[in-house]
Amino acid sequence: DIQMTQSPSSLSASVGDRVTITCRASQSISSYLNWYQQKPGKAPKLLIYAASSLQSGVPSRFSGSGSGTDFTLTISSLQPEDFATYYCQQSYSTLGYTFGQGTKLEIK
Amino acid sequence: QVQLVESGGGLVKPGGSLRLSCAASGFTFSDYYMSWIRQAPGKGLEWVSYISSSSSYTNYADSVKGRFTISRDNAKNSLYLQMNSLRAEDTAVYYCARGYYGDYVNYFDYWGQGTLVTVSS
Repeated sequence: DIQMTQSPSSLSASVGDRVTITCRASQSISSYLNWYQQKPGKAPKLLIYAASSLQSGVPSRFSGSGSGTDFTLTISSLQPEDFATYYCQQSYSTLGYTFGQGTKLEIK
Repeated sequence: QVQLVESGGGLVKPGGSLRLSCAASGFTFSDYYMSWIRQAPGKGLEWVSYISSSSSYTNYADSVKGRFTISRDNAKNSLYLQMNSLRAEDTAVYYCARGYYGDYVNYFDYWGQGTLVTVSS
């Protein structure tokens, strides 16, 4: 199985800050990396697919980059509605899709 | 608009069975792979199973292989998860999700609201 490791596990930041979350795969996954946002009590929402493509309707302050084993999600200027938990997910291995453990973004 | 509505969750004893359903609307259900993904209380997301658009292919996480069976009825726009030999560690919110598969892309673009399964004596 491909393991996905996110860092940090939690992060405190302020409105207006630039924030970066990292995701590392245990083997190369090309660009088969997706990012989701989840708010408490809600289903996850797709933000970024194929490492860097912005899902329709997602604000442009969200961006993704990387390929191979190392990926990043960046929020350029945090808004109050961005405080949530973020998950990366690899879709390279159809034998089993795996998610990172999540990064909880909290208000400082 | 795309809607996925899960049902069938509840309280079940260890060793028991439960069948989850997911009713889809707003898109051509028979064109899409579908998956079940779960989230234990306070924990992260775990992919459980997927099924191809025509039911030709299925796959399961090792943690549920041999105990869970995914199926679909394209005429009824419905996805199912038959869960047998349930264990305490299967306690989770179960989401159904639509899988988009394109050229070099593959992701879950729509999710249901989830249904809670609690395995406890």
